[in-house]
Amino acid sequence: DARVTQTPRHKVTEMGQEVTMRCQPILGHNTVFWYRQTMMQGLELLAYFRNRAPLDDSGMPKDRFSAEMPDATLATLKIQPSEPRDSAVYFCASDPGRSFYNEQFFGPGTRLTVL
Amino acid sequence: AQSVTQPDIHITVSEGASLELRCNYSYGATPYLFWYVQSPGQGLQLLLKYFSGDTLVQGIKGFEAEFKRSQSSFNLRKPSVHWSDAAEYFCAVGPRSNDYKLSFGAGTTVTVRA
Repeated sequence: DARVTQTPRHKVTEMGQEVTMRCQPILGHNTVFWYRQTMMQGLELLAYFRNRAPLDDSGMPKDRFSAEMPDATLATLKIQPSEPRDSAVYFCASDPGRSFYNEQFFGPGTRLTVL
Repeated sequence: AQSVTQPDIHITVSEGASLELRCNYSYGATPYLFWYVQSPGQGLQLLLKYFSGDTLVQGIKGFEAEFKRSQSSFNLRKPSVHWSDAAEYFCAVGPRSNDYKLSFGAGTTVTVRA
């Protein structure tokens, strides 16, 4: 059963610390998305990649957030320095990318709490 | 501006009763339309999608949705809900272009009472 995996599932950190979240997309999927979910803002797209190249990161605060795909099996989202307003659930999703709008498969999320 | 509206924040329904969740969108042209479900502590799962053709779309878990162009709506329905349908439901839209970005509604939380 192919799934998107995310680590860690939960992270509690103090303001100012670096946070790294990891995502393993489904094998063979070439499009990867990062979303953030909060009660106030709902589900927001932060960035997405196709074939490891960033296509759009306009939803991401540039000064402290960065997203990369070091290889086809790993996507990372880093926050440095973290702030309490970054507390949210961060989801990774992958898509086969064979045509427009297949199905985005979501991971279970990383629940981040910044104190 | 593009927007997706789910007018109902929370719906409570009895087990075995029918369910309808509303979704309205504002878009320059008819977008691609989706419904996702999120169970507590889980990621989102696609229930169904509409690209073209028959305006009544069948999905998983016994759900269906009807696209109505004149009303800019894509409402989700289920004839008889089960306790396991308690979850949050999101409507999403995306442009008909080489752009993979989806815009999500705020979600509707469904509570199922015995």
